[in-house]
Amino acid sequence: QKEVEQNSGPLSVPEGAIASLNCTYSDRGSQSFFWYRQYSGKSPELIMSIYSNGDKEDGRFTAQLNKASQYVSLLIRDSQPSDSATYLCAVANYGQNFVFGPGTRLSVLP
Amino acid sequence: GAGVSQSPSNKVTEKGKDVELRCDPISGHTALYWYRQSLGQGLEFLIYFQGNSAPDKSGLPSDRFSAERTGGSVSTLTIQRTQQEDSAVYLCASSLPDWPGDEQFFGPGTRLTVL
Repeated sequence: QKEVEQNSGPLSVPEGAIASLNCTYSDRGSQSFFWYRQYSGKSPELIMSIYSNGDKEDGRFTAQLNKASQYVSLLIRDSQPSDSATYLCAVANYGQNFVFGPGTRLSVLP
Repeated sequence: GAGVSQSPSNKVTEKGKDVELRCDPISGHTALYWYRQSLGQGLEFLIYFQGNSAPDKSGLPSDRFSAERTGGSVSTLTIQRTQQEDSAVYLCASSLPDWPGDEQFFGPGTRLTVL
């Protein structure tokens, strides 16, 4: 059974701080790693994809992947109240189905 | 370009009726996924189509649920003899068969309410 685990939260951070979201996965053969953001009542939207070990930065977002530790994280710098949402981690092998984590609810306090 | 579209956006039905939910994937996306999300819960995988391969139906919760994908594009999820526990948002997503580049893109969902 392939599993993806995340802390359910809520994770509360003050505005302007760094939010750190973590995800672990069980399938060592996983090749594709994604972070999605889901606002209440909306569908998930893709924030970042990462495929190789190390860091990938896009604006205020940085994804970090460590395949040896089966760990992927998302850092949000200068957190804004508009970042308050549920963040979903997803893991996949090429040609196979995605496995989504349960999501971490982030609350950025003004 | 156009994203994933789903119809209807809302569906209210009576217990015991059949419903059909439609998904139009992004043009050129050969992979198509159906998920269910109950209020306040995570994504529950239902079924996955990849090109001409046999679909992965391992997530379908009962034999009342079925899905088909015609011509490798549009997909229909059918729920027969609906029950109140079927009430949820049904999400469709599609992706390219590339790596890297296999990100899933979601449609807006269909909110199903079974009375």
